[in-house]
Amino acid sequence: DQQVKQNSPSLSVQEGRISILNCDYTNSMFDYFLWYKKYPAEGPTFLISISSIKDKNEDGRFTVFLNKSAKHLSLHIVPSQPGDSAVYFCAASGGGNEKLTFGTGTRLTIIP
Amino acid sequence: NAGVMQNPRHLVRRRGQEARLRCSPMKGHSHVYWYRQLPEEGLKFMVYLQKENIIDESGMPKERFSAEFPKEGPSILRIQQVVRGDSAAYFCASSPRQGRTEAFFGQGTRLTVV
Repeated sequence: DQQVKQNSPSLSVQEGRISILNCDYTNSMFDYFLWYKKYPAEGPTFLISISSIKDKNEDGRFTVFLNKSAKHLSLHIVPSQPGDSAVYFCAASGGGNEKLTFGTGTRLTIIP
Repeated sequence: NAGVMQNPRHLVRRRGQEARLRCSPMKGHSHVYWYRQLPEEGLKFMVYLQKENIIDESGMPKERFSAEFPKEGPSILRIQQVVRGDSAAYFCASSPRQGRTEAFFGQGTRLTVV
């Protein structure tokens, strides 16, 4: 049972444009959401998070939007840079449970 | 402030041998999590530990796998009698407290069972 889904396995975006990565979840107990970035042969690196009491959180080029009614969140990266090419994982926790449940990832490629 | 340190980075074991994976959390972090990533999949939770306590092991296989986080020293994930299906990347993460906080990951140990 995949409680966190990233339906796009890959995404290509021109350098300088906006990258939008999407994530859907099914567990209504989730109340904290995170995005991680991962390069090959390295561990995931934390990017940005959002709690369910907010619908938007911004940090530099990265903005996360949360739509609780649709159980959907998205990560916007603008402007996209070549160094942003990586696999992006959406993760969620909640319901008194500390563990993170991860999506399967989206491979983002920024085209120079 | 050093990040989460995992060793070894790569580990090769023959079927039936034991694998020991080590994780030193970030300084000041007392919460440790282990995750496993199979090829082409996301990270799957295995176990959550605090010093000397297993808090949640709902993701651990029932047999052959165990984890500890002693009062002194690193957290250890132990896999006995490894099989080919155990081949994966194992990641450790740490956080400073419970609740809504990001976990910081190590670089992982890639286990290959031959």
